[in-house]
Amino acid sequence: DTGVSQNPRHKITKRGQNVTFRCDPISEHNRLYWYRQTLGQGPEFLTYFQNEAQLEKSRLLSDRFSAERPKGSFSTLEIQRTEQGDSAMYLCASSVRSSGGTRYNEQFFGPGTRLTVL
Amino acid sequence: AQKITQTQPGMFVQEKEAVTLDCTYDTSDPSYGLFWYKQPSSGEMIFLIYQGSYDQQNATEGRYSLNFQKARKSANLVISASQLGDSAMYFCAMRETETSGSRLTFGEGTQLTVNP
Repeated sequence: DTGVSQNPRHKITKRGQNVTFRCDPISEHNRLYWYRQTLGQGPEFLTYFQNEAQLEKSRLLSDRFSAERPKGSFSTLEIQRTEQGDSAMYLCASSVRSSGGTRYNEQFFGPGTRLTVL
Repeated sequence: AQKITQTQPGMFVQEKEAVTLDCTYDTSDPSYGLFWYKQPSSGEMIFLIYQGSYDQQNATEGRYSLNFQKARKSANLVISASQLGDSAMYFCAMRETETSGSRLTFGEGTQLTVNP
């Protein structure tokens, strides 16, 4: 399977615990994005990387959230001291930056990690 | 103000008929792209179709077409010959090239149900 993969698919944790999610993008894609989706809503942008550089962060990404992409391959999203409001689906997407214009920059999404904070 | 508005929380269509899902957007960026994604109950977002703000013709991809009316700031998705497998959540999204870089802004989605 050459698509975007995410692990784990489901995570249940207790309030106050730390959790870490992993995303493996499509291999030739140099851009990687994290989104959060709560029930009944569209995804909301959290952050994105081009190679290993984190180029943009949403104000939704509080100081309890940190994302990394060492070596420009897989990425991890860590949430510290989880709160019940963090319960959501966390989606990862990747794309390839092309000089051919925006048409070739479609973001391909992974299956998501569903987080439940008790 | 909402950047992407999808006014139809739910839509129903008979199998083999066509259906239009509405999307309006708000931007002052002269360069932007509009996307439609499908999200089945499994959760994965599936890219369907793209329209660039400078594209002269409406985009088409198989049974999907985009009715792009730039002056009205609308980008409605038309699905022809609906199939049972089209039942899913559909999201319209926008990328504003100059003001927000690569991020996508999504609408709240439309739940499409195809009846046999």
